[in-house]
Amino acid sequence: EAGVAQSPRYKIIEKRQSVAFWCNPISGHATLYWYQQILGQGPKLLIQFQNNGVVDDSQLPKDRFSAERLKGVDSTLKIQPAKLEDSAVYLCASSLDRGGGTEAFFGQGTRLTVV
Amino acid sequence: AQKVTQAQTEISVVEKEDVTLDCVYETRDTTYYLFWYKQPPSGELVFLIRRNSFDEQNEISGRYSWNFQKSTSSFNFTITASQVVDSAVYFCALSEGGRNTDKLIFGTGTRLQVFP
Repeated sequence: EAGVAQSPRYKIIEKRQSVAFWCNPISGHATLYWYQQILGQGPKLLIQFQNNGVVDDSQLPKDRFSAERLKGVDSTLKIQPAKLEDSAVYLCASSLDRGGGTEAFFGQGTRLTVV
Repeated sequence: AQKVTQAQTEISVVEKEDVTLDCVYETRDTTYYLFWYKQPPSGELVFLIRRNSFDEQNEISGRYSWNFQKSTSSFNFTITASQVVDSAVYFCALSEGGRNTDKLIFGTGTRLQVFP
């Protein structure tokens, strides 16, 4: 079974530029998550989708971050404009369904460096 | 407030030593789930175990074992006879049941280095 695919693996941009990350979840997984992991910290949820609807985006900085999941499969996360503090690894995860205790499968992440 | 604390930032051991990674959590919910994930240098988080708040039985899986104690709000992870391949960052996480989100609340992680 193929895992969660993310691209690109690495990205370096200047502050105030825009950037987009792509995620392809495990086939059949209805729930998709984007987490932000700043160096030395644990991942923090940015947004959760159930199919193509948003379940939780309470920690997404909506003035600069946006995400979509068209057709309930692939997802893109965009930052515009980027700030230095956005430097982090952006992890995508998916799970078969919802519910507390659901096992989430993670991709390898996209490491973003904002200079 | 929900919180997960991993007080050990980094642990170094020599191969074949036993090592315990500590995890303390805070939650007001009576139904919740606790997880351990491993993050090797490649970056992805690898699921190790999930426990629900109603099951305090300890669990053993090969060289791995977990000790869940609700009385002390702890969910500790022990690796017996550590190996170099165990070197990674280990995260403890909490998920609360019955809410509108299934988000995992992670601790800050413990970096384990196993030397030959």
